[in-house]
Order: sequence, then structure tokens, then C-alpha cells
Amino acid sequence: GQNIDQPTEMTATEGAIVQINCTYQTSGFNGLFWYQQHAGEAPTFLSYNVLDGLEEKGRFSSFLSRSKGYSYLLLKELQMKDSASYLCAVTDSNYQLIWGAGTKLIIKP
Amino acid sequence: IAGITQAPTSQILAAGRRMTLRCTQDMRHNAMYWYRQDLGLGLRLIHYSNTAGTTGKGEVPDGYSVSRANTDDFPLTLASAVPSQTSVYFCASSPGEVNGGPLHFGNGTRLTVT
Repeated sequence: GQNIDQPTEMTATEGAIVQINCTYQTSGFNGLFWYQQHAGEAPTFLSYNVLDGLEEKGRFSSFLSRSKGYSYLLLKELQMKDSASYLCAVTDSNYQLIWGAGTKLIIKP
Repeated sequence: IAGITQAPTSQILAAGRRMTLRCTQDMRHNAMYWYRQDLGLGLRLIHYSNTAGTTGKGEVPDGYSVSRANTDDFPLTLASAVPSQTSVYFCASSPGEVNGGPLHFGNGTRLTVT
């Protein structure tokens, strides 16, 4: 079956750096998305990777290794407002979108 | 403001009742989706639509129906609600083909079936 694994919860300190990992096993691959979801709100799009390597967007970066079925989201200079769940999703060869359960990130002062 | 509007924001519904969740987008996106989100689980696709006039079943379609009469509207109907349908429901849309790009989500409908 198709599967995406992410840690359930992570804790980090304000101002620090945190890396959220995502591993996937899917039938083919057509891209990987990261979304941010604050409690009680809708998911919002953060990043998209389809080729191997690092995509940087301000304080957030996303990395992909297709051969390893692995991605991570790197958040730098953490702010309290970064406390949220981070969802990893992969599009398979049939353009079906497979979602991970999300990683709840808790930022402490 | 461009985006997706869902209504109602929340609803408490008696089991056995019929309910339609409304979703409207003004971005002229071709693809639209209905997801449910339950604690500890990833988003699960209920139904989707590639374009006006066409719909498809997702991962958990049983007990739900949809229609896509035009580009903007994609209502989700629960014909006879059951407690297991208690969830947060998100409508989403994306440009181009289904899952061909980032999804834009509405603010969700929190549904409780008693």
C-alpha cells in the first residue's frame, strides 16, 4: 500500500532551527508538497518539490531525495507563529495525492 | 477576496438527517475536492471533480454525494448522517488537472452528528 510517515509531534525553541522529516512509499512519484495548518484553520501551501535538491523560500526550505523516498522541511529562526501542524503529501503516478498525518510543531520561548 | 467559501462554519446534526455542505470558489479553478480531517489521520479524499459536469470517488466516498453543475460550486451532501461522519470537512480547489498543483482550501465545516 501507499504510505507517508512523519513524526507525530516535535518541540523546538524560539529562534532555533527544526527539521521535519517525511518518508514515503508510493506507486510512482509526481511531486511532493508541504502544507502548514494552524490549529482550527485550513491547510495552506508552503512548498513543492519534484526534482532532487533543496528549494529555499525565506525561512523555510524543503529538500527532496527521490531515490530515498525522503523529504524534509527546514524551518529557520523559529517564531512562535510557526507553531502549527506540517503536512507532507505526495502525488503518485496516477496523480492521486497521498497525505501524511502531519507533524505538530510546538515552539517554546 | 479571491478564495473558497464554505458554509456553514459548524453544524450539529441529528443522525438520520440530510445535510448539504456548500462550497464556492471564485478562482475559476478546474479541479475541486472534498476532504475530511479526523484527529490522528491524514486528510482523506471523499469526492473530487476534474471540471464542471464530472465527478469522481475518492478514498472514503460512502455516505456522501457531490455535484458539479458549474465551475464555481461543489456541494457535498450527506443523505442520512451517521455519527462516524462527525469530522471537519474541507473543500479545496486547484488549477489545471486534478492534483496537478497546490490545493487551495476553504476554512472548513466542523460537523457533529449526534
